[in-house]
Amino acid sequence: NAGVTQTPKFRILKIGQSMTLQCTQDMNHNYMYWYRQDPGMGLKLIYYSVGAGITDKGEVPNGYNVSRSTTEDFPLRLELAAPSQTSVYFCASSYRPMSGTYEQYFGPGTRLTVT
Amino acid sequence: ILNVEQSPQSLHVQEGDSTNFTCSFPSSNFYALHWYRWETAKSPEALFVMTLNGDEKKKGRISATLNTKEGYSYLYIKGSQPEDSATYLCARRKSNQFYFGTGTSLTVIP
Repeated sequence: NAGVTQTPKFRILKIGQSMTLQCTQDMNHNYMYWYRQDPGMGLKLIYYSVGAGITDKGEVPNGYNVSRSTTEDFPLRLELAAPSQTSVYFCASSYRPMSGTYEQYFGPGTRLTVT
Repeated sequence: ILNVEQSPQSLHVQEGDSTNFTCSFPSSNFYALHWYRWETAKSPEALFVMTLNGDEKKKGRISATLNTKEGYSYLYIKGSQPEDSATYLCARRKSNQFYFGTGTSLTVIP
């Protein structure tokens, strides 16, 4: 299993450009998450999904959109990039067993700079 | 916002020393507390998931305890080794959302 993969690894965007960060998992996990990590801050949840076709906002959703058309893929879209979106973005997935205790598996991250 | 706080922010210990650090969180509406280990240039890796007050989990030289009534968890490392150097994150789970602390950065000096 490749686990959780993210592309691209690095990207530089100009203000106002748009882009999609890709995330794919091959573990048949039903839960997927997008986080951003800024210096000195904890991981902040942007959006999450509990299954194909279902998405929900996290703590910091403004300026982002997501979709979940398949179990495997959970792309994150930036429509009008702003310098405040300069960050490292992590995708994660988890399986929710009946007990409700589930671990997240993280991708390698995408480092995005908006100038 | 459900604030999760970790202390200390960073820690340097000698190889062979034992150490511990703290994760504090709001105790109301508790679901689960997760610990992660995050090495530089890698992704966070799950260490423990804890749900019940009084839970104790152990993995090798690393163990964790949970007090949901007072809202804290301790992570212990016995006989620290240089390979234990990493940032240790805790996260409080409420329903389907995770709220992370800023981590404790541990450096083990050979």
